[in-house]
Amino acid sequence: QKEVEQNSGPLSVPEGAIASLNCTYSDRGSQSFFWYRQYSGKSPELIMSIYSNGDKEDGRFTAQLNKASQYVSLLIRDSQPSDSATYLCAVKGNTGKLIFGQGTTLQVKP
Amino acid sequence: ETGVTQTPRHLVMGMTNKKSLKCEQHLGHNAMYWYKQSAKKPLELMFVYSLEERVENNSVPSRFSPECPNSSHLFLHLHTLQPEDSALYLCASSQRTGEDNSPLHFGNGTRLTVT
Repeated sequence: QKEVEQNSGPLSVPEGAIASLNCTYSDRGSQSFFWYRQYSGKSPELIMSIYSNGDKEDGRFTAQLNKASQYVSLLIRDSQPSDSATYLCAVKGNTGKLIFGQGTTLQVKP
Repeated sequence: ETGVTQTPRHLVMGMTNKKSLKCEQHLGHNAMYWYKQSAKKPLELMFVYSLEERVENNSVPSRFSPECPNSSHLFLHLHTLQPEDSALYLCASSQRTGEDNSPLHFGNGTRLTVT
C-alpha cells in the first residue's frame, strides 16, 4: 500500500464547476497535511495546510480532513482555467517526514 | 533575488561526467532538502540538512553526494550517473525540520538528462 495515495487523473472539470481532489494516507499517526500546486515546468507551491478534523477555507479553496477515515481532500470552487495544474498531497507523520502522493492532474476547460 | 534559486535549470550529462547542482535560499531558513521528481512517481526525499548538518539520507546511491557549506547554500554533486537518474531535482528549504509544521519552499528545479 502506498503511504500517500492520489488518483493521477487527469480530472477534467468545466470552468465554474467545483473540482474535488482526494488523498488517502496509511500512517494513522499523521498530524499535518498539505496541498501543493505544481504548474507544468514549475516547482510545487504550498496552497493549503490543515491539522485538525473538519474543513478549512481559504478563498476558493477548502481543505477537508477526516483522520478516522485517513482521508484529506481539496475542493476548488468556481474553477478557472488558471487552476489547471498538478495538485500534490503531502502528509507529515510522527517521524516528521513529509511524504508526497504522486499528484492529481486537474484540467479546467473553458 | 527571492525564494529558492536553483542552477542550472537544465543539464545533460554523460554517464562518465561529473557535475554539480546548486541551490541557494534567501529566506533565512535553517533546513534545506533535495528531492527527486520522476514522471508518474511521487516526490522522493533524498537528503535533509538542518543547520548545515545532514540529518537524513534516504538510502540514496553514493553517486549522489550532497554538500551544505552554510545554511543558505546546498549542492548535489553527481558522478557516474545512470540513465534512470534522469529526473527533475528539486531543492527546498523550510524554517526548521522535524515535528513542526513549517512548510517547504521549493526552487524551480534542475531538469537532468543522463545519456
